[in-house]
Amino acid sequence: EVQLVESGGGLVQPGGSLRLSCAASGFIFSDYTMNWVRQAPGQGLEWVSYISSSGSTIYYADSVKGRFTISRDNAKDSLYLQMNSLRSEDTAVYYCARMGIYYDRSAPKGYWGQGTLVTVSP
Amino acid sequence: DIQMTQSPSSLSASVGDRVTITCQASQDISYYLNWYQQKPGKAPNLLVYDASNLETGVPSRFSGSGSGTDFTFTISSLQPEDIATYYCQQYDNLPLTFGGGTKVEIK
Repeated sequence: EVQLVESGGGLVQPGGSLRLSCAASGFIFSDYTMNWVRQAPGQGLEWVSYISSSGSTIYYADSVKGRFTISRDNAKDSLYLQMNSLRSEDTAVYYCARMGIYYDRSAPKGYWGQGTLVTVSP
Repeated sequence: DIQMTQSPSSLSASVGDRVTITCQASQDISYYLNWYQQKPGKAPNLLVYDASNLETGVPSRFSGSGSGTDFTFTISSLQPEDIATYYCQQYDNLPLTFGGGTKVEIK
């Protein structure tokens, strides 16, 4: 069974930093592309970042480019999101998701963790 | 970026009613579309993949159809446990994009 467990969320001041982690199990982590997706309170779903199975290909949403960094450690079956220069509009539940583009092994089915809440407030 | 326009944004229907949600892509995405159900405080749960394939364990009252730019998600007989928000999501290209969601309520 695919399991994704996020951690690292919390309350942080504007301009601060936070590092999210996602522990994966139930599948060969190194074979799959991974993503971070977020959901602001009462809002819809917004894709944040994508990383290929090897970590060599990375993409970001324009809203986080230059501030967030996605990475992975395939030896530890773990995905990370380093978030710097946080803003109030980054407040959201952040989901780790095994998803991909149609030619990725992660596609078509998307599997999500339960999410971790990040609150950016003074 | 591929825009996904989902409608309606909310609907209210009676138990047993047929419910239909539409999702329109801003460009041809073939059949590369998923439908998710999200209940309050929970992560999205995959119901339909490749536009029309039902995920294992999902009740047969749920179905999806369409290709290209126009897609439809149907609940053939609405049940109380179907109260949730439903999202479409394209995986033809990055950025992965989602419809705005449809909140389904019981009348």
